[in-house]
Amino acid sequence: DGGITQSPKYLFRKEGQNVTLSCEQNLNHDAMYWYRQDPGQGLRLIYYSQIVNDFQKGDIAEGYSVSREKKESFPLTVTSAQKNPTAFYLCASSPRDRVGYTFGSGTRLTVV
Amino acid sequence: EDQVTQSPEALRLQEGESSSLNCSYTVSGLRGLFWYRQDPGKGPEFLFTLYSAGEEKEKERLKATLTKKESFLHITAPKPEDSATYLCAVQAGGGGSYIPTFGRGTSLIVHP
Repeated sequence: DGGITQSPKYLFRKEGQNVTLSCEQNLNHDAMYWYRQDPGQGLRLIYYSQIVNDFQKGDIAEGYSVSREKKESFPLTVTSAQKNPTAFYLCASSPRDRVGYTFGSGTRLTVV
Repeated sequence: EDQVTQSPEALRLQEGESSSLNCSYTVSGLRGLFWYRQDPGKGPEFLFTLYSAGEEKEKERLKATLTKKESFLHITAPKPEDSATYLCAVQAGGGGSYIPTFGRGTSLIVHP
């Protein structure tokens, strides 16, 4: 079945550590996105990519980095510069006409 | 700037008690309005896409409708398994950013 796979489901980060969240899709979608979700808030866009080797900052890109070396993969790195990284992270993808998203199951990141 | 407001923030229903969730929006040329269901700790699951005023879509106990200013998600005779957070998003057309704007969601609890 086609879909988006996020891993790991749970991730713990120590202070000053960089961590990478994985997102892989087999839907042949061109565009991929990373969102952050906090309790009581809507989805906030971190980064998005429309094509391989190209990506743009979203509304809250500071402290995060991404790469898009393959169409299927869009990993997100949460760097030590992100001071409040504890949140639920969602990856999504959309087809060329960009109408509608398919979401992954999410990664919950906690700072310990 | 595109805006999406969902109401109420939270809704508690008894099993079988029908109700509606509201999604009010302002957008410069609507390309699509989307409804998603999100269970705790999981990614949003796509429900419906609506494209133009007057359009309606149904799936089991859910029916989504669209006007030029708002969308309603009607839940008929809900069951406890309908408990979830329902998210609304709008996507602008007409040359604007294609990135959807999400509302904060309505948390629905259906008591048996």
